[in-house]
Amino acid sequence: GDSVTQMEGPVTLSEEAFLTINCTYTATGYPSLFWYVQYPGEGLQLLLKATKADDKGSNKGFEATYRKETTSFHLEKGSVQVSDSAVYFCALSQGGSEKLVFGKGTKLTVNP
Amino acid sequence: GAVVSQHPSRVICKSGTSVKIECRSLDFQATTMFWYRQFPKQSLMLMATSNEGSKATYEQGVEKDKFLINHASLTLSTLTVTSAHPEDSSFYICSARDPSGAGGLVNEQFFGPGTRLTVL
Repeated sequence: GDSVTQMEGPVTLSEEAFLTINCTYTATGYPSLFWYVQYPGEGLQLLLKATKADDKGSNKGFEATYRKETTSFHLEKGSVQVSDSAVYFCALSQGGSEKLVFGKGTKLTVNP
Repeated sequence: GAVVSQHPSRVICKSGTSVKIECRSLDFQATTMFWYRQFPKQSLMLMATSNEGSKATYEQGVEKDKFLINHASLTLSTLTVTSAHPEDSSFYICSARDPSGAGGLVNEQFFGPGTRLTVL
């Protein structure tokens, strides 16, 4: 079945550091790919998405590019802030399906 | 933006009792809601899809008699863990699908903050 693998955390960075959180997927066909963020005490929020190969999703300074050849959707940000501290989930959904398949989540802590 | 609430946020109960968790869409109507379960350091696992006015669709391996889902209105779905046991202790998360696209994406799922269930 479909699956998502993302890098194990936790990840600890200093403010203004570069962030990469790796995400790879296994799926038949051409899934849509997502990054969700969960801030402490809150529900998951959609951060960005990409629906086809070579699409780049971006939001709040975060970016991720749908790479079909490497089945990857790595999350990047050039300069993290303390407020970016959260748990980040990579996910996919197939075709018109509403079902989301999630990775295990990566906890990011940014220190001032 | 679209907001989904869950109640309670945390519950502790004795083994053998039943626990009800509520999921509400506060500012939109959700014909479809989803229930997930999350174990420590694990991903969210979809348990069931709840459709307003009809029976829920359960994922393979999820006991429908154990996890009762009711979606009686367009803004409320409930998950009842019946005869709870310690192995049911987990973090339960709901999401609601907004078909209107008011949040920017049609059919985007909005997630509740989760309910921590501990069964003693």
